[in-house]
Amino acid sequence: DQQVKQNSPSLSVQEGRISILNCDYTNSMFDYFLWYKKYPAEGPTFLISISSIKDKNEDGRFTVFLNKSAKHLSLHIVPSQPGDSAVYFCASEGANNLFFGTGTRLTVIP
Amino acid sequence: DAGVIQSPRHEVTEMGQEVTLRCKPISGHDYLFWYRQTMMRGLELLIYFNNNVPIDDSGMPEDRFSAKMPNASFSTLKIQPSEPRDSAVYFCASRPGLGNAGELFFGEGSRLTVL
Repeated sequence: DQQVKQNSPSLSVQEGRISILNCDYTNSMFDYFLWYKKYPAEGPTFLISISSIKDKNEDGRFTVFLNKSAKHLSLHIVPSQPGDSAVYFCASEGANNLFFGTGTRLTVIP
Repeated sequence: DAGVIQSPRHEVTEMGQEVTLRCKPISGHDYLFWYRQTMMRGLELLIYFNNNVPIDDSGMPEDRFSAKMPNASFSTLKIQPSEPRDSAVYFCASRPGLGNAGELFFGEGSRLTVL
Protein backbone atom coordinates (compact mmCIF):
# COMPACT_ATOMS: atom_id res chain seq x y z
CA ASP A 1 0.00 0.00 0.00
CA GLN A 2 1.36 3.40 -1.00
CA GLN A 3 2.34 5.44 2.03
CA VAL A 4 3.42 8.32 -0.17
CA LYS A 5 1.16 9.43 -2.97
CA GLN A 6 1.67 11.71 -5.91
CA ASN A 7 -1.72 11.93 -7.55
CA SER A 8 -0.67 13.90 -10.60
CA PRO A 9 1.33 11.73 -12.98
CA SER A 10 2.18 14.69 -15.19
CA LEU A 11 2.27 18.49 -15.23
CA SER A 12 2.99 20.97 -18.02
CA VAL A 13 4.04 24.53 -17.28
CA GLN A 14 5.13 27.44 -19.42
CA GLU A 15 8.70 28.59 -19.03
CA GLY A 16 8.99 31.37 -16.45
CA ARG A 17 5.83 30.38 -14.61
CA ILE A 18 5.56 28.55 -11.30
CA SER A 19 5.51 24.75 -11.12
CA ILE A 20 3.75 23.21 -8.12
CA LEU A 21 4.15 19.51 -7.46
CA ASN A 22 2.11 17.91 -4.72
CA CYS A 23 2.60 14.95 -2.44
CA ASP A 24 0.51 13.33 0.31
CA TYR A 25 1.59 10.85 2.94
CA THR A 26 -0.34 8.64 5.31
CA ASN A 27 2.01 7.93 8.20
CA SER A 28 2.11 10.63 10.85
CA MET A 29 5.37 9.17 12.17
CA PHE A 30 7.28 10.36 9.11
CA ASP A 31 9.61 13.15 10.20
CA TYR A 32 11.73 13.95 7.19
CA PHE A 33 10.72 14.57 3.63
CA LEU A 34 12.71 14.79 0.44
CA TRP A 35 12.28 15.53 -3.24
CA TYR A 36 14.30 13.77 -5.91
CA LYS A 37 14.62 14.66 -9.56
CA LYS A 38 15.11 12.09 -12.28
CA TYR A 39 16.17 12.58 -15.88
CA PRO A 40 15.68 9.80 -18.46
CA ALA A 41 18.28 7.02 -18.31
CA GLU A 42 19.70 8.41 -15.08
CA GLY A 43 19.19 7.63 -11.43
CA PRO A 44 17.20 9.96 -9.17
CA THR A 45 19.21 12.77 -7.59
CA PHE A 46 18.47 14.55 -4.36
CA LEU A 47 16.93 17.99 -4.79
CA ILE A 48 15.68 19.41 -1.50
CA SER A 49 14.45 18.23 1.88
CA ILE A 50 12.50 19.42 4.90
CA SER A 51 12.32 18.32 8.50
CA SER A 52 8.98 17.97 10.23
CA ILE A 53 9.90 20.77 12.62
CA LYS A 54 9.75 23.23 9.75
CA ASP A 55 7.01 24.22 7.37
CA LYS A 56 9.16 25.71 4.62
CA ASN A 57 12.61 25.23 3.18
CA GLU A 58 13.97 27.27 0.31
CA ASP A 59 16.94 26.67 -1.97
CA GLY A 60 17.22 29.04 -4.89
CA ARG A 61 14.31 28.51 -7.25
CA PHE A 62 13.07 25.52 -5.26
CA THR A 63 10.89 25.72 -2.15
CA VAL A 64 9.30 22.87 -0.28
CA PHE A 65 6.27 23.45 1.92
CA LEU A 66 5.09 21.04 4.59
CA ASN A 67 1.60 20.95 6.08
CA LYS A 68 1.77 18.35 8.83
CA SER A 69 -1.87 18.55 9.82
CA ALA A 70 -2.89 17.76 6.26
CA LYS A 71 -0.01 15.31 5.73
CA HIS A 72 0.80 17.19 2.59
CA LEU A 73 3.90 18.66 1.05
CA SER A 74 4.53 20.53 -2.12
CA LEU A 75 7.48 21.58 -4.23
CA HIS A 76 7.43 24.99 -5.87
CA ILE A 77 9.77 25.84 -8.71
CA VAL A 78 9.85 29.46 -9.76
CA PRO A 79 10.65 30.51 -12.34
CA SER A 80 10.41 27.20 -14.18
CA GLN A 81 13.04 26.49 -16.80
CA PRO A 82 13.11 23.93 -19.64
CA GLY A 83 15.98 22.15 -17.87
CA ASP A 84 13.60 21.45 -14.99
CA SER A 85 11.71 18.99 -17.20
CA ALA A 86 12.09 15.66 -15.41
CA VAL A 87 10.27 13.22 -13.17
CA TYR A 88 10.03 14.40 -9.56
CA PHE A 89 9.71 11.90 -6.74
CA CYS A 90 8.54 12.77 -3.28
CA ALA A 91 9.93 10.64 -0.44
CA SER A 92 9.28 10.32 3.28
CA GLU A 93 11.65 8.86 5.84
CA GLY A 94 10.41 6.43 8.43
CA ALA A 95 11.45 3.09 9.94
CA ASN A 96 14.99 3.45 8.56
CA ASN A 97 13.59 3.51 5.08
CA LEU A 98 12.65 6.01 2.41
CA PHE A 99 9.15 5.61 1.01
CA PHE A 100 8.76 7.05 -2.47
CA GLY A 101 5.77 8.24 -4.41
CA THR A 102 5.08 7.22 -8.00
CA GLY A 103 6.50 10.43 -9.41
CA THR A 104 5.21 13.42 -11.37
CA ARG A 105 6.57 14.12 -14.84
CA LEU A 106 7.10 17.86 -15.22
CA THR A 107 7.36 19.36 -18.68
CA VAL A 108 8.40 23.00 -18.95
CA ILE A 109 7.41 24.40 -22.29
CA PRO A 110 9.80 27.00 -23.77
CA ASP B 1 34.76 10.37 -6.44
CA ALA B 2 32.85 7.84 -8.52
CA GLY B 3 29.16 7.49 -7.83
CA VAL B 4 27.17 4.31 -7.42
CA ILE B 5 28.00 1.99 -10.30
CA GLN B 6 25.50 -0.52 -11.64
CA SER B 7 25.79 -3.17 -14.31
CA PRO B 8 24.46 -4.10 -16.73
CA ARG B 9 22.68 -0.94 -17.86
CA HIS B 10 20.32 -2.98 -20.01
CA GLU B 11 19.42 -6.65 -19.88
CA VAL B 12 17.05 -8.50 -22.17
CA THR B 13 16.39 -12.09 -21.33
CA GLU B 14 13.84 -14.81 -21.82
CA MET B 15 11.40 -15.99 -19.23
CA GLY B 16 12.91 -18.63 -16.98
CA GLN B 17 16.46 -17.40 -17.27
CA GLU B 18 18.56 -16.26 -14.34
CA VAL B 19 19.33 -12.56 -14.08
CA THR B 20 22.09 -11.03 -11.96
CA LEU B 21 22.33 -7.30 -11.40
CA ARG B 22 25.43 -5.80 -9.84
CA CYS B 23 26.16 -2.74 -7.76
CA LYS B 24 29.24 -0.99 -6.41
CA PRO B 25 28.29 1.58 -3.75
CA ILE B 26 30.15 4.77 -3.00
CA SER B 27 33.22 4.01 -0.92
CA GLY B 28 32.64 4.62 2.77
CA HIS B 29 28.87 4.38 2.60
CA ASP B 30 27.47 2.03 5.22
CA TYR B 31 24.04 1.49 3.71
CA LEU B 32 23.08 -0.04 0.38
CA PHE B 33 19.59 -0.20 -1.03
CA TRP B 34 17.98 -1.98 -3.96
CA TYR B 35 14.90 -0.32 -5.47
CA ARG B 36 12.63 -1.27 -8.35
CA GLN B 37 10.88 1.36 -10.43
CA THR B 38 7.58 0.61 -12.12
CA MET B 39 4.91 2.89 -13.52
CA MET B 40 2.28 1.63 -11.10
CA ARG B 41 4.25 1.69 -7.87
CA GLY B 42 7.03 4.16 -8.45
CA LEU B 43 10.22 3.39 -6.53
CA GLU B 44 9.77 0.35 -4.30
CA LEU B 45 12.37 -0.71 -1.78
CA LEU B 46 13.32 -4.35 -2.24
CA ILE B 47 16.04 -4.77 0.38
CA TYR B 48 18.68 -2.80 2.20
CA PHE B 49 21.97 -3.64 3.87
CA ASN B 50 23.87 -2.03 6.71
CA ASN B 51 27.57 -2.86 6.88
CA ASN B 52 26.98 -5.74 4.45
CA VAL B 53 24.23 -7.28 6.59
CA PRO B 54 20.67 -7.48 5.19
CA ILE B 55 18.40 -5.48 7.48
CA ASP B 56 15.02 -5.42 5.79
CA ASP B 57 14.08 -7.64 2.88
CA SER B 58 10.33 -7.37 3.30
CA GLY B 59 10.08 -5.70 -0.09
CA MET B 60 11.51 -8.64 -1.98
CA PRO B 61 8.56 -9.83 -4.07
CA GLU B 62 9.04 -13.56 -3.68
CA ASP B 63 11.57 -16.33 -3.32
CA ARG B 64 12.73 -15.89 -6.89
CA PHE B 65 14.52 -12.75 -5.75
CA SER B 66 17.69 -12.84 -3.67
CA ALA B 67 20.34 -10.27 -2.80
CA LYS B 68 23.82 -10.53 -1.36
CA MET B 69 26.51 -8.18 -0.22
CA PRO B 70 29.71 -10.21 0.22
CA ASN B 71 31.79 -7.11 0.99
CA ALA B 72 31.49 -3.37 1.42
CA SER B 73 32.09 -2.64 -2.24
CA PHE B 74 29.82 -5.09 -4.03
CA SER B 75 26.24 -6.29 -4.03
CA THR B 76 24.14 -8.46 -6.33
CA LEU B 77 20.44 -8.82 -6.93
CA LYS B 78 19.49 -12.11 -8.51
CA ILE B 79 16.22 -13.21 -10.06
CA GLN B 80 15.82 -16.91 -10.73
CA PRO B 81 13.76 -17.80 -12.66
CA SER B 82 12.83 -14.49 -14.24
CA GLU B 83 9.29 -13.69 -15.38
CA PRO B 84 7.91 -10.99 -17.72
CA ARG B 85 6.38 -9.14 -14.74
CA ASP B 86 9.89 -8.60 -13.39
CA SER B 87 10.54 -6.17 -16.24
CA ALA B 88 11.42 -2.85 -14.63
CA VAL B 89 14.32 -0.55 -13.87
CA TYR B 90 16.30 -1.67 -10.85
CA PHE B 91 18.23 0.96 -8.92
CA CYS B 92 20.96 0.55 -6.40
CA ALA B 93 21.57 3.38 -3.94
CA SER B 94 23.90 4.03 -1.04
CA ARG B 95 24.19 6.49 1.82
CA PRO B 96 26.73 7.12 4.56
CA GLY B 97 24.35 6.72 7.48
CA LEU B 98 20.80 6.93 8.70
CA GLY B 99 21.37 8.89 11.86
CA ASN B 100 20.18 12.21 10.57
CA ALA B 101 18.24 11.37 7.42
CA GLY B 102 20.89 11.86 4.77
CA GLU B 103 19.88 11.57 1.18
CA LEU B 104 20.40 8.53 -1.04
CA PHE B 105 22.87 8.42 -3.91
CA PHE B 106 21.47 6.40 -6.77
CA GLY B 107 23.15 4.56 -9.59
CA GLU B 108 21.96 4.96 -13.16
CA GLY B 109 19.84 1.84 -12.96
CA SER B 110 19.61 -1.49 -14.75
CA ARG B 111 16.73 -1.77 -17.18
CA LEU B 112 15.52 -5.37 -17.25
CA THR B 113 13.25 -6.74 -19.95
CA VAL B 114 12.03 -10.29 -19.61
CA LEU B 115 10.40 -11.65 -22.76
